[in-house]
Amino acid sequence: KAGVTQTPRYLIKTRGQQVTLSCSPISGHRSVSWYQQTPGQGLQFLFEYFSETQRNKGNFPGRFSGRQFSNSRSEMNVSTLELGDSALYLCASSLLRGQFFGPGTRLTVL
Amino acid sequence: EDQVTQSPEALRLQEGESSSLNCSYTVSGLRGLFWYRQDPGKGPEFLFTLYSAGEEKEKERLKATLTKKESFLHITAPKPEDSATYLCAGGDGGSQGNLIFGKGTKLSVKP
Repeated sequence: KAGVTQTPRYLIKTRGQQVTLSCSPISGHRSVSWYQQTPGQGLQFLFEYFSETQRNKGNFPGRFSGRQFSNSRSEMNVSTLELGDSALYLCASSLLRGQFFGPGTRLTVL
Repeated sequence: EDQVTQSPEALRLQEGESSSLNCSYTVSGLRGLFWYRQDPGKGPEFLFTLYSAGEEKEKERLKATLTKKESFLHITAPKPEDSATYLCAGGDGGSQGNLIFGKGTKLSVKP
């Protein structure tokens, strides 16, 4: 069974730009969550989608948004990028027990 | 405030030297305690889920245990390939998707 895939794996953007990251969950998994990982803050929850609806949201500004499609694939968007948005963005999918993470997208904001 | 705290931040062991990692939590309505392993540049790899105090799970040289306030990850006779950052997370039961992570313990095992 294929794991969680994320594209792109690496991204370099400049301040003020926007970015869209994509996540394909494990086949059959309907819940997709997004996390931001930085050396200082560790892994922090961004939001969770289930059946195309946002089910939970973390404490991040409105510049961070996401959506889920009918095939469970998910995208997250960050608008007006700031230097502090540089991080590893991780997507995880779950069915019943436990979450399974993708390899992440490394975003660098210059 | 829900919180997960891991200790120590870093641990250096000699190959074969057993030890334990600690994860203490204050998560209201905890509905699962999760352990992950993360290698540099990769996403976390799922290891265990524990649901109730007294529960134990094992995988190769790793054993995870859970009490009402903390969880331990015991590493028996570690090998260099066990070197990684080990993450602990609490799920609040609201859904499967919102995990509260600790900062992790970076384990180095020297041959």
